[in-house]
Amino acid sequence: LAKTTQPISMDSYEGQEVNITCSHNNIATNDYITWYQQFPSQGPRFIIQGYKTKVTNEVASLFIPADRKSSTLSLPRVSLSDTAVYYCLVGLNTGGFKTIFGAGTRLFVKA
Amino acid sequence: NAGVTQTPKFRVLKTGQSMTLLCAQDMNHEYMYWYRQDPGMGLRLIHYSVGEGTTAKGEVPDGYNVSRLKKQNFLLGLESAAPSQTSVYFCATSSARDVWSNQPQHFGDGTRLSIL
Repeated sequence: LAKTTQPISMDSYEGQEVNITCSHNNIATNDYITWYQQFPSQGPRFIIQGYKTKVTNEVASLFIPADRKSSTLSLPRVSLSDTAVYYCLVGLNTGGFKTIFGAGTRLFVKA
Repeated sequence: NAGVTQTPKFRVLKTGQSMTLLCAQDMNHEYMYWYRQDPGMGLRLIHYSVGEGTTAKGEVPDGYNVSRLKKQNFLLGLESAAPSQTSVYFCATSSARDVWSNQPQHFGDGTRLSIL
């Protein structure tokens, strides 16, 4: 599975747009990119998944450049409740098997 | 709609004791997984199952056993608990349209296990 690198932590203020970038230089041709969110005392929750270009849902957007060696999770107008750990996963079987969750990015949203 | 339910939510054991963690799902998903999460770290896969009656080892299987006798249940057993197994345990499920599915996982809220 492709190794991912993402910032350990980020701070933001309510109402701002937050962009979390994940590097995955050795992504394979068939790999998908998946992001999860985890709140304290809860299990991770699927946010968004993409293969190339841009994907948007009701929660976030995922931007993937043409070379696919990085991806950016964009959270529009964050609120205090978006304070959580965000994990970037890359792999063909990001739904299981040898899924590797790194340490993730701790996002802290301030008032 | 319960989704993925883990029992118990908390447990304290003494070294050498045994116990079983239960994961139950009502989503009719084929795949089920057990992870452990240690402070400040991501999740590590212990064991997984691709269907009723089948199990396989993940990244950190030593000291654990699992069973999937029914599609909706996945059991994680600790035969002789050790302090190094103090952790938060998460169960997850996913559907599978094919072997190389990219279906996202659905997680339970975890079992906090302390071993003294």
